[in-house]
Amino acid sequence: EPEVTQTPSHQVTQMGQEVILRCVPISNHLYFYWYRQILGQKVEFLVSFYNNEISEKSEIFDDQFSVERPDGSNFTLKIRSTKLEDSAMYFCAAAGVRVGETQYFGPGTRLLVL
Amino acid sequence: DAKTTQPNSMESNEEEPVHLPCNHSTISGTDYIHWYRQLPSQGPEYVIHGLTSNVNNRMASLAIAEDRKSSTLILHRATLRDAAVYYCILRSYNTDKLIFGTGTRLQVFP
Repeated sequence: EPEVTQTPSHQVTQMGQEVILRCVPISNHLYFYWYRQILGQKVEFLVSFYNNEISEKSEIFDDQFSVERPDGSNFTLKIRSTKLEDSAMYFCAAAGVRVGETQYFGPGTRLLVL
Repeated sequence: DAKTTQPNSMESNEEEPVHLPCNHSTISGTDYIHWYRQLPSQGPEYVIHGLTSNVNNRMASLAIAEDRKSSTLILHRATLRDAAVYYCILRSYNTDKLIFGTGTRLQVFP
C-alpha cells in the first residue's frame, strides 16, 4: 500500500534558525496537509494545500510558516525563525482527488528547538 | 467546529469486541463522522467514516444513531495491535481539515 513519507525523522535546531520539513505524498494525491502535535497534546491542523495554493490555514500558521510543492512531488513546510514552542511532531497528510477524501498521514518529523 | 465527546480511556481483553462511543449532539446535517486512530509514536491512521448509515470495512464497523447525535466504533475482535488513541472527528462537507480532540485511549490486555 502506498505511503506518505517524511524526512527527516528527527531534527534538532537552535532557536531562530530556519527549518524545512519534507514530505513525499502518495503519487496521485492532490490535497496536502500539515498538522502538528506538541508532546502530550492534541493533533492540531496547520494548513491545507491544493492546486499550488493554500486552501485553509489555522491561527497557528502565521507568517513564520510557509508551504510549497516546488517540484511536483515533495511538499515542504518551512519555519523561518524557529521558537522554543515550535518543538513538536509535525505530520504531513495527503488525500485523493476530491475534497474530504480520506487523509493518509506520514510518520512525522520530531522537531526539537533549543 | 462541531464538538465530540469521548471517554478518556477504555480497556479490553484480546479477542473480545470493543465498542468505542462518541457523542456529537451538535452535529449538523452535512457533517461526516470520521474515526482515526494513533498508535504509539505514529501518525494518525484512518479507520472508518460515515454520514447516516452504518458502515463496515476490514478494520471496523461504525454504528450511527438514528438521530446522528452519537456513534459507536466497533472493533469486532481486539488485538494487541489495536491499542491506540481513537479519535472521533466531525468534518463539515465544505472543509477537509480534521479537528482532533483528546480521543479515547484503548488498552488491550492479553
